Amino acid sequence: QSVLTQPPSVSAAPGQNVTISCSGSSSNIENHYVSWYQQLPGTAPKLLIYDNKKRSSGIPDRFSGSKSGTSATLDITGLQTGDEADYYCGAWDSSLSAVFGGGTKLTVL
Amino acid sequence: QLQLQESGPGLVKPSETLSLTCTVSGGSISSSDYFWGWIRQPPGKGLEWIGHIYYAGATYYSPSLKSRVTIAVDTSKNQFSLKLISVTAADTAVYYCARLRRGYNWFGPWGQGTLVTVSS
Repeated sequence: QSVLTQPPSVSAAPGQNVTISCSGSSSNIENHYVSWYQQLPGTAPKLLIYDNKKRSSGIPDRFSGSKSGTSATLDITGLQTGDEADYYCGAWDSSLSAVFGGGTKLTVL
Repeated sequence: QLQLQESGPGLVKPSETLSLTCTVSGGSISSSDYFWGWIRQPPGKGLEWIGHIYYAGATYYSPSLKSRVTIAVDTSKNQFSLKLISVTAADTAVYYCARLRRGYNWFGPWGQGTLVTVSS
């Protein structure tokens, strides 16, 4: 059971938009920065979004992050087949732990 | 460009100790802006933070693993290490090392990961 809650899967057609949610609490998301990671099949996670909404170097502006209260979202616009991957949110928790969501598998139909 | 590379045995017997090293290249591990961390991912599952260390030696561990984990740093070699004692099959996972931004708590870049299997 992950501290941060994500939907197990989302899907959409190429060119469409998708939103991945990440739900937490006042111990983590509400009072700490949120980051997002993309894990392509068979590879290590890669930093996508940090400090809630800043894009990591080389990440296209099709990817955007936001945070409100105890939840955060990752938006991907103009889906491409190469976006098919697992996406994880992460944050610091006041229990002095780094926490992650359980991951969301994005399928581009 | 900063790179991290994990190394160590891919097979460990139950009850023994898992030992991994992460070598940092393209930058100094003695940066005041960053921690150096370990994260693992059991096959087919999500990410689990293990712990991280500051170059001066301060450590932070997952409460669920704290009694079995030791993370150390060797600034002369630009390396940090992970030891996990008394392993069981539940410790089978891909182990990643990564840089962690102090105060902002994002991980990047990550090493490529190394699969450690616990089996007799």
